[in-house]
Amino acid sequence: KNEVEQSPQNLTAQEGEFITINCSYSVGISALHWLQQHPGGGIVSLFMLSSGKKKHGRLIATINIQEKHSSLHITASHPRDSAVYICAVHSSGNTGKLIFGQGTTLQVKP
Amino acid sequence: DTGVSQDPRHKITKRGQNVTFRCDPISEHNRLYWYRQTLGQGPEFLTYFQNEAQLEKSRLLSDRFSAERPKGSFSTLEIQRTEQGDSAMYLCASSLGQRGYTFGSGTRLTVV
Repeated sequence: KNEVEQSPQNLTAQEGEFITINCSYSVGISALHWLQQHPGGGIVSLFMLSSGKKKHGRLIATINIQEKHSSLHITASHPRDSAVYICAVHSSGNTGKLIFGQGTTLQVKP
Repeated sequence: DTGVSQDPRHKITKRGQNVTFRCDPISEHNRLYWYRQTLGQGPEFLTYFQNEAQLEKSRLLSDRFSAERPKGSFSTLEIQRTEQGDSAMYLCASSLGQRGYTFGSGTRLTVV
């Protein structure tokens, strides 16, 4: 079993829909990242959070440390949101290295 | 600062050849990481440096792989005697402690 599990693996939505991607982890963590990867490889950090909730534009990330679970929500989805979304955690110990989920491929259709 | 730079973007090499990739991190970042990503998977940790010290290496990093960060600035990752299984995207990232985590665009290696 992977230390970081995401669901769903693939997601297709219509433009305007509300989208949720889930991440569960089994290790102790100091922080969690939500990352976006477009075709061609570049990875962009969307959020880094260790508690509660963060919002940036149409994106919202939440984390529940007790339940070892995080969600990424996209409101009013748009075709330009189509990408791979990856959950990654900093394991406890302050090494800085990330443990990644396998990613969720999102396609938003117009 | 233009972020984390990786060179080259793409590399095609014949099996058995040696290859070297370079990563230039954000200048004030003290930590530098190398990850490998195969198609359809999330990245996997290879190694990381704090300043010039290599503090951790993954079991994935066989003795054909070596990484250096000689002056605590740029880093190189060398793969000797490449194998087809080495074909992947090699990602570099840097951070200041755990903050400001920034990825490069990656080097895509194809071994033929």
